[in-house]
Amino acid sequence: GAVVSQHPSRVICKSGTSVKIECRSLDFQATTMFWYRQFPKQSLMLMATSNEGSKATYEQGVEKDKFLINHASLTLSTLTVTSAHPEDSSFYICSAREVGVTEAFFGQGTRLTVV
Amino acid sequence: DQQVKQNSPSLSVQEGRISILNCDYTNSMFDYFLWYKKYPAEGPTFLISISSIKDKNEDGRFTVFLNKSAKHLSLHIVPSQPGDSAVYFCAASGRTNFGNEKLTFGTGTRLTIIP
Repeated sequence: GAVVSQHPSRVICKSGTSVKIECRSLDFQATTMFWYRQFPKQSLMLMATSNEGSKATYEQGVEKDKFLINHASLTLSTLTVTSAHPEDSSFYICSAREVGVTEAFFGQGTRLTVV
Repeated sequence: DQQVKQNSPSLSVQEGRISILNCDYTNSMFDYFLWYKKYPAEGPTFLISISSIKDKNEDGRFTVFLNKSAKHLSLHIVPSQPGDSAVYFCAASGRTNFGNEKLTFGTGTRLTIIP
């Protein structure tokens, strides 16, 4: 299957700082990328969908100004958690999909801990 | 509103026997269904999918069955192997109000294969 690389895999940051997570499609062009959040023992919750070159569309309840998403190229999307709080600690996962393909391929995930 | 449900949070199966994971959905607009396998602290891995126009899709040890009238799908793994122990997510694909296709995930079933 296609390869999606997510970086970093783990990050610890202080409250009030910002953290950027990168998601790259390594062997295909991802016209659409998705960002998910997973709480312990819960399902993957879609946060936002980003299409290359346009603004991300956020799911209800997700703060746009807190979770900044940029999809500047067909192979890279970034999620920036701004002014992080301990409650933002979670497992964040990106996925990418090629045009015309329904299967989405996932990155390895990023474990964010805000202290 | 949980549109995709996996009512069994866990399942234990003897090695070599058949594992059957179930998934129910409520939205009749879903047109594609996927199964993902996930290990702790990793992103999900795509396993198998099925279009809503089919009722069965087989790939090696994995078979997915779709019953549209019952809004139910199942994943069969036979024979089950210890390496199959993981959390399995059912996902359904459908268009959002913005016209994007997005995946809605179930809550997952933890499968444990007993040697």
